[in-house]
Amino acid sequence: EAGVAQSPRYKIIEKRQSVAFWCNPISGHATLYWYQQILGQGPKLLIQFQNNGVVDDSQLPKDRFSAERLKGVDSTLKIQPAKLEDSAVYLCASSPQKGYDGYTFGSGTRLTVV
Amino acid sequence: DAKTTQPPSMDCAEGRAANLPCNHSTISGNEYVYWYRQIHSQGPQYIIHGLKNNETNEMASLIITEDRKSSTLILPHATLRDTAVYYCIVRSNNAGNMLTFGGGTRLMVKP
Repeated sequence: EAGVAQSPRYKIIEKRQSVAFWCNPISGHATLYWYQQILGQGPKLLIQFQNNGVVDDSQLPKDRFSAERLKGVDSTLKIQPAKLEDSAVYLCASSPQKGYDGYTFGSGTRLTVV
Repeated sequence: DAKTTQPPSMDCAEGRAANLPCNHSTISGNEYVYWYRQIHSQGPQYIIHGLKNNETNEMASLIITEDRKSSTLILPHATLRDTAVYYCIVRSNNAGNMLTFGGGTRLMVKP
């Protein structure tokens, strides 16, 4: 089966600019996650969707980050305006609603804010 | 979810078994032990998970102590491609529960 697709693979922007990341999960996977991974650290959950509804966004900095999952399939994560500390890899993962052995992660988008 | 403790780094000789320990002394009865690994420039990859019995699949074996307070991931014949960061995660197995990653163990397999 096709994996979790993410784009772009790399992005460099200046601080205060806006950026958006796109994720296409595995077909049929109801749950979608966005993680932020700062260099040298483990991934940190930003937001979790179940179909097109938000389950948990307690770690999402809502003053600058937003995310949506249209029609319960693709998802976009946006940062506006970006700060230097937002430099990280943004990972998308998906899992079936039931009976799963684990999440499937995409390869991530590496964001550099200069 | 319970917190885990892992050594920050380990070395292993190619072809030998790699034994990666994890302490999870506050694990509760409905929490599973999951292992993921992350190879450089890739997203984390699921390896194995278990509740209380030892588990084995094509990638690795998971040994969980009887009191469930610690576990060991075993890669029976490590190769250079097994060089990665290995994460031990404890969580309940309800659909939709998120994974909470710690710092993991950086395993370096050397020729």
